[in-house]
Amino acid sequence: SQKIEQNSEALNIQEGKTATLTCNYTNYSPAYLQWYRQDPGRGPVFLLLIRENEKEKRKERLKVTFDTTLKQSLFHITASQPADSATYLCALDGSNDYKLSFGAGTTVTVRA
Amino acid sequence: SQTIHQWPATLVQPVGSPLSLECTVEGTSNPNLYWYRQAAGRGLQLLFYSVGIGQISSEVPQNLSASRPQDRQFILSSKKLLLSDSGFYLCAWSVKVNGYTFGSGTRLTVV
Repeated sequence: SQKIEQNSEALNIQEGKTATLTCNYTNYSPAYLQWYRQDPGRGPVFLLLIRENEKEKRKERLKVTFDTTLKQSLFHITASQPADSATYLCALDGSNDYKLSFGAGTTVTVRA
Repeated sequence: SQTIHQWPATLVQPVGSPLSLECTVEGTSNPNLYWYRQAAGRGLQLLFYSVGIGQISSEVPQNLSASRPQDRQFILSSKKLLLSDSGFYLCAWSVKVNGYTFGSGTRLTVV
């Protein structure tokens, strides 16, 4: 069966450190992978999209890698701030069909 | 600019009552539209998606239905709610291969 697994339910880090989140998938052949941020009681907000032929993507303090051989994506928040505290969701398509399946998310708490 | 409106924000309904949640999109044409449900502490589950007016694909069999009467309007309905229908319902849109834009969600509690 298809699975999207995000590492650990919660990640607590000190302000200024780098948070690294993992997304592993099985039985998918995604054309692209996306990351979202979700605050409590709110809808997810799109952060980054990385295609299968891209190894790395950056946006400000965010960096995403995509390894289709390992079937894994890493999401890094560098120089983390308390405002980065949220749940981060990994999402990928089935096979370029515009329908996204989501992981359960990793909750990040950044301590001042 | 492109915006998405979803209402109501919260809803408490008795078991067996009907449901109608509405979502409208502004600032884009012919979007793909989606309904997701998120249970507490769980990931998002795709319920329905639509690539055009009157075109609805159901992902999970259940007592919910969806309709798209206009290009930028997506409605989630039920004739009789179950306790298990409680959750956080999210509408979203996308165009081609781009990130989804989600609405603010409806917190539904069936009592």
